[in-house]
Amino acid sequence: SQKIEQNSEALNIQEGKTATLTCNYTNYSPAYLQWYRQDPGRGPVFLLLIRENEKEKRKERLKVTFDTTLKQSLFHITASQPADSATYLCALPSSASKIIFGSGTRLSIRP
Amino acid sequence: DAGVIQSPRHEVTEMGQEVTLRCKPISGHNSLFWYRQTMMRGLELLIYFNNNVPIDDSGMPEDRFSAKMPNASFSTLKIQPSEPRDSAVYFCASSLQGDQSFFGQGTRLTVV
Repeated sequence: SQKIEQNSEALNIQEGKTATLTCNYTNYSPAYLQWYRQDPGRGPVFLLLIRENEKEKRKERLKVTFDTTLKQSLFHITASQPADSATYLCALPSSASKIIFGSGTRLSIRP
Repeated sequence: DAGVIQSPRHEVTEMGQEVTLRCKPISGHNSLFWYRQTMMRGLELLIYFNNNVPIDDSGMPEDRFSAKMPNASFSTLKIQPSEPRDSAVYFCASSLQGDQSFFGQGTRLTVV
């Protein structure tokens, strides 16, 4: 069956360092992959979409890679700040419109 | 656009009562999703609609759950009868052509 795994439930890093989150999937061949941010008490907010023919995508301090051979996406936040503390979710289309989410990684940036 | 609007934001009900959650998607979006989020199970897709038609309801946990989308600007998720294990945050999201999803603020349901 299709499965999405995010590497850890929680990640704590020092301010200024690069945070790296991992999303692995099995039994999928998605045309694209998305990353979302969720703050407590709020709905997820879209951050980035990367397509299967793209190796890397950047947006300000965010960078996403997509390796369809490894079936893995890496999400990087460079020069991390306490305001980046949130839960980050990866999401994949299991069909044309059906979007499935990973369980998320709770990122904490300590000053 | 005000984004996806869900109501109510919070709902506390007694076991056995009927609960109706409401969602207004972003105007022009053709896909609508209902998700349930709990600590144990994360964000689970319950059902999604495309052009107001239910496409996949395989995530609906039981017959006690039903969803409708009578028109492009309104959807409901109903639980009848409600049970304590239904307590969760329910999110509605909409998208255009399966692109990025826009989520509402969610409804926090507590069944006592």
